[in-house]
Amino acid sequence: GQQLNQSPQSMFIQEGEDVSMNCTSSSIFNTWLWYKQDPGEGPVLLIALYKAGELTSNGRLTAQFGITRKDSFLNISASIPSDVGIYFCAGYNYGGSQGNLIFGKGTKLSVKP
Amino acid sequence: GAGVSQSPSNKVTEKGKDVELRCDPISGHTALYWYRQSLGQGLEFLIYFQGNSAPDKSGLPSDRFSAERTGGSVSTLTIQRTQQEDSAVYLCASSSGSPSGTQYFGPGTRLLVL
Repeated sequence: GQQLNQSPQSMFIQEGEDVSMNCTSSSIFNTWLWYKQDPGEGPVLLIALYKAGELTSNGRLTAQFGITRKDSFLNISASIPSDVGIYFCAGYNYGGSQGNLIFGKGTKLSVKP
Repeated sequence: GAGVSQSPSNKVTEKGKDVELRCDPISGHTALYWYRQSLGQGLEFLIYFQGNSAPDKSGLPSDRFSAERTGGSVSTLTIQRTQQEDSAVYLCASSSGSPSGTQYFGPGTRLLVL
């Protein structure tokens, strides 16, 4: 089945630093999504991308849908403590009977000690 | 309600017992999804409903798992004869059902099988 490779698995941030993470897929998707999950909560949608090559921003977050439709990246600029959490990429192909999201394993953001 | 709600928020059960997990989707959302999240892992798709029918049950890990949805709203995920490896967070999501409909997640039910 389709799989997503998300990297890095974890990273430590210092307040003010920029952060990058990415996902690659073995097959194409029509839609790429980025979610953030805080402890004890369900994932919350950050950015949705619907077109190959699309670059979308949401405040300090920027995400791009790769031109090959097999990859996406998420950048966080000038990180702040509340950015800590787990970030998931998800791919989705709408249409037909297949409705589920395929998730990466997540990138855990922590604060540098 | 304003968002997807799930109950119970936590469930501890003994191996071999049956459990029922409930999901209340966002009002008006026709599509409903169940996912499982094991510790430190991404989300694993279980089943998808469009209205009351389930066109995709491909993710159910065994015949001990079943789900139903009635009235196009509330859904129940049932795990029979629970095993320790069933311990995980079970997440429900709903969407408007349109091709680009965003999936909104509930807070999850944390299941621990002793």
